[in-house]
Amino acid sequence: AQTVTQSQPEMSVQEAETVTLSCTYDTSESNYYLFWYKQPPSRQMILVIRQEAYKQQNATENRFSVNFQKAAKSFSLKISDSQLGDTAMYFCACRSYNNNDMRFGAGTRLTVKP
Amino acid sequence: DSGVTQTPKHLITATGQRVTLRCSPRSGDLSVYWYQQSLDQGLQFLIQYYNGEERAKGNILERFSAQQFPDLHSELNLSSLELGDSALYFCASSYGDPQDTQYFGPGTRLTVL
Repeated sequence: AQTVTQSQPEMSVQEAETVTLSCTYDTSESNYYLFWYKQPPSRQMILVIRQEAYKQQNATENRFSVNFQKAAKSFSLKISDSQLGDTAMYFCACRSYNNNDMRFGAGTRLTVKP
Repeated sequence: DSGVTQTPKHLITATGQRVTLRCSPRSGDLSVYWYQQSLDQGLQFLIQYYNGEERAKGNILERFSAQQFPDLHSELNLSSLELGDSALYFCASSYGDPQDTQYFGPGTRLTVL
């Protein structure tokens, strides 16, 4: 089974600045998927970005991008031009191709300050 | 709005009781997943159903069971409830292939007193 570690319980950033959230994972699978989900105070889980492990190119979604380092098993999330609405818990997750058991990290609480 | 619906939004009950949580997947999705989010255990995968059949099992207690009906909605049954079962229970859905993204519902907040 996969394990996911998020070593930053809390982070803060000034509005319009850039912030990077860290995530490391461990899996014995060769085919897997990585995700970042956002959970705002409403508690809704919202997909931010996903990355297929077989793709070398880092995924991007508007202001959100990842730095995927497969050999190091690292999957960090960069948020550019931070907005107040980005304030939320961010969860990193890993799911293998053969097993739909998606494992989540403990989360990073991000606060964007005006 | 993800298109996944869950009812009820909140549920308050007593220890030893049984409750049923309901989930309707996004239109066209065949798979339903159940997750538990608690303060001490974080987000944990419980179980997955695909087109009516159980496909994957995670850290689901024997007191918990689930099923998916022909119309693809799913129910999670929690019995002999304990204080530690208080949590946010999420349902997610996807088409069903391994590469498909899971979209989460708004969750059901269960409080066991």
